[in-house]
Amino acid sequence: ETGVTQSPTHLIKTRGQQVTLRCSSQSGHNTVSWYQQALGQGPQFIFQYYREEENGRGNFPPRFSGLQFPNYSSELNVNALELDDSALYLCASRGRQGNEQFFGPGTRLTVL
Amino acid sequence: QKEVEQDPGPLSVPEGAIVSLNCTYSNSAFQYFMWYRQYSRKGPELLMYTYSSGNKEDGRFTAQVDKSSKYISLFIRDSQPSDSATYLCAMSANFGNEKLTFGTGTRLTIIP
Repeated sequence: ETGVTQSPTHLIKTRGQQVTLRCSSQSGHNTVSWYQQALGQGPQFIFQYYREEENGRGNFPPRFSGLQFPNYSSELNVNALELDDSALYLCASRGRQGNEQFFGPGTRLTVL
Repeated sequence: QKEVEQDPGPLSVPEGAIVSLNCTYSNSAFQYFMWYRQYSRKGPELLMYTYSSGNKEDGRFTAQVDKSSKYISLFIRDSQPSDSATYLCAMSANFGNEKLTFGTGTRLTIIP
């Protein structure tokens, strides 16, 4: 177990709706990253948060946004959902020492 | 051209065989190299983590990095049916840089 949890496990939304995904990291893991993994592909970096501020962003539009909270939890928000947003969304956290990232089990989002 | 190329397979080998998984990359800034194992409908699990060129061994797993050729490998000795999963290579440029760039993953099946 990585100590990283995500909720919900599965989610079905319709095009145009908004969604919030949640992640909880281990105590002391003050860096969290979010990734999108389409079926049959490797994870794609969305953004990272460090001490509650965005600290790097991949090639994703502004309708993908996030928050990080002092209690080591974080959120990924996606507005105006599109069919191509259907994917497994993963969060990963890193502790104060070491460069390894530990992933949660993911939230599978289906957009109809 | 993708920054990281990985043969998606699928790859099937008999139990007990040695498995070789490979990735090539184009970004010479990559310094940190990782191998993740991902079971179906689960998050990636960190297997091996190496810095710069060289070999690293952990039980039945050996990771090799050749930065001059921009080529990394993962070897699995005495393969077991429980090793059946998708193997993802990932890499990053800087310590603490959370943007991991992944390959597409190789789907591996170990046949009993």
